[in-house]
Amino acid sequence: DVKVTQSSRYLVKRTGEKVFLECVQDMDHENMFWYRQDPGLGLRLIYFSYDVKMKEKGDIPEGYSVSREKKERFSLILESASTNQTSMYLCASRSTGTDNSPLHFGNGTRLTVT
Amino acid sequence: GQNIDQPTEMTATEGAIVQINCTYQTSGFNGLFWYQQHAGEAPTFLSYNVLDGLEEKGRFSSFLSRSKGYSYLLLKELQMKDSASYLCAVRKAGTALIFGKGTTLSVSS
Repeated sequence: DVKVTQSSRYLVKRTGEKVFLECVQDMDHENMFWYRQDPGLGLRLIYFSYDVKMKEKGDIPEGYSVSREKKERFSLILESASTNQTSMYLCASRSTGTDNSPLHFGNGTRLTVT
Repeated sequence: GQNIDQPTEMTATEGAIVQINCTYQTSGFNGLFWYQQHAGEAPTFLSYNVLDGLEEKGRFSSFLSRSKGYSYLLLKELQMKDSASYLCAVRKAGTALIFGKGTTLSVSS
């Protein structure tokens, strides 16, 4: 079974802090993704990576950056946290083996910025 | 542009059948996915359609019409545990999925 692990379930940070959200997958998947989920807005794609050291902007990349130094790990970085980044953050991974390969999600990190 | 629309909320009773619709307008299409998400949990994969027609998987079926930009998820013999959000997502050319806002289904006895 695919396991996607996010390092923290809950985080509370102050405005202006640099925040790291970590995600690790154990299935040797090429693709990894960061989404945020907000009530009434659904899941929105922040960044994704299709290979080590490769990254692509999603629909809402502003205020975020990412790092993928190893295949199994994909980090989301908030350079200077703001209150509008309070959200549930979901990491996902996917194999490129077949077209119908689904995304496998981690359990999420609920980030509160005060 | 891209737009994926689903109803916000639906209610149904145990044992009934419910159909959750999804319409999409996206620049590129490479498959449509349905996910289930229980409150406080991660989304889990339900179904995938890339060709027109119906895909059946137990109590759940999913339909796609590419010419109409339309899909539905059909849930039969509803159970209380089916109370959840159902997310429609389109994969454009490439690898990323774009999600609709989700439909919250409440099943009552």
